[in-house]
Amino acid sequence: DAGVTQSPTHLIKTRGQQVTLRCSPKSGHDTVSWYQQALGQGPQFIFQYYEEEERQRGNFPDRFSGHQFPNYSSELNVNALLLGDSALYLCASSFSRSEQFFGPGTRLTVL
Amino acid sequence: SQELEQSPQSLIVQEGKNLTINCTSSKTLYGLYWYKQKYGEGLIFLMMLQKGGEEKSHEKITAKLDEKKQQSSLHITASQPSHAGIYLCGAEGGNSNYQLIWGAGTKLIIKP
Repeated sequence: DAGVTQSPTHLIKTRGQQVTLRCSPKSGHDTVSWYQQALGQGPQFIFQYYEEEERQRGNFPDRFSGHQFPNYSSELNVNALLLGDSALYLCASSFSRSEQFFGPGTRLTVL
Repeated sequence: SQELEQSPQSLIVQEGKNLTINCTSSKTLYGLYWYKQKYGEGLIFLMMLQKGGEEKSHEKITAKLDEKKQQSSLHITASQPSHAGIYLCGAEGGNSNYQLIWGAGTKLIIKP
């Protein structure tokens, strides 16, 4: 079992650009959650996908959007990047409301 | 909105000593999770507590949820270098709330 995988590992973008991050959940998991973690802080919930729909959303602007595919993998898209979007983006998968398993994260740097 | 406060923010402990990390919620906890994170990496699940008074142990780590379900503690016995990292507590918001709210983390350094 490969666990939760995320790609890419690192990414450097400039302000105003768009970025897509990808996540493959752990085998058997049907729910994917995305988090943003700034340096020295706890993760902040962006949104959760279940059955290919956004089930819940945290306090993030519409520039942050996502998608879940039939195979349960997911994408996080961020448009019009700002310097403040620089962070570690974490994907977590779970089955229903069981404990969440996290991927290694994607480090996004916006210049 | 619910907030989680962790204490201490950081901790330096001599190898072999015991330590405790606390997580206090502003509201009743419906489910409390403890995770460990190595710097800049993903989170590793440690334990989940749901019932007031519940206590779980894994190897040398014990977590408790108090009776009133507003505070949890994580206790490490005979600390080792492998225990170093950032410990995060996360909480569920309730039945219809799927998001996890997180504390800011406690950075643990083990001195050899």
